[in-house]
Amino acid sequence: DQQVKQNSPSLSVQEGRISILNCDYTNSMFDYFLWYKKYPAEGPTFLISISSIKDKNEDGRFTVFLNKSAKHLSLHIVPSQPGDSAVYFCAASGSYGGATNKLIFGTGTLLAVQP
Amino acid sequence: DSGVTQTPKHLITATGQRVTLRCSPRSGDLSVYWYQQSLDQGLQFLIQYYNGEERAKGNILERFSAQQFPDLHSELNLSSLELGDSALYFCASSVEGYGDTEAFFGQGTRLTVV
Repeated sequence: DQQVKQNSPSLSVQEGRISILNCDYTNSMFDYFLWYKKYPAEGPTFLISISSIKDKNEDGRFTVFLNKSAKHLSLHIVPSQPGDSAVYFCAASGSYGGATNKLIFGTGTLLAVQP
Repeated sequence: DSGVTQTPKHLITATGQRVTLRCSPRSGDLSVYWYQQSLDQGLQFLIQYYNGEERAKGNILERFSAQQFPDLHSELNLSSLELGDSALYFCASSVEGYGDTEAFFGQGTRLTVV
């Protein structure tokens, strides 16, 4: 049962444009969401997170939006740069006492930013 | 550099064998997670330890086991290896074992079973 889903295996955008990566989840007990970025032959690196008490969190070029009613979150990258080309994983977890303390990851979306 | 160290980086072994993967968490982190990434697959959660105790379990096979030692390093033991166990194995650590903290990943151990 895939509790965190990234339905787009890949995405290609032009440099300077917006990249939008999407993620859906099924477990309503999740209350903390994260995005990780992964280059080949490296471990995932933390990018940005959002708590369920918020609907938006911004860090430089990266913004994460959370729609709890739809159980959907998205990562916006503006403007996209060639160095952003990587696999992006969405992850979710529950707080202490919640359903889960572990990070559940989606299958990833490969972003290719074309110069 | 995330501060999480995994050894070895690469491992090639034969079917039926047993291997041990090692993880040293970031200084001060109490929680260690193990993940498996097979070809074209996402990151599959295997198991989590917090301060020496098992905290959560994922789809970890019975042939696999893990432990976290008093110095907080962790080992993942894989036995009776099969070709399908070939994958990247990542360790991650976080300060707490609770939900609202990010985990930092090591560079992974690439296991090839031949």
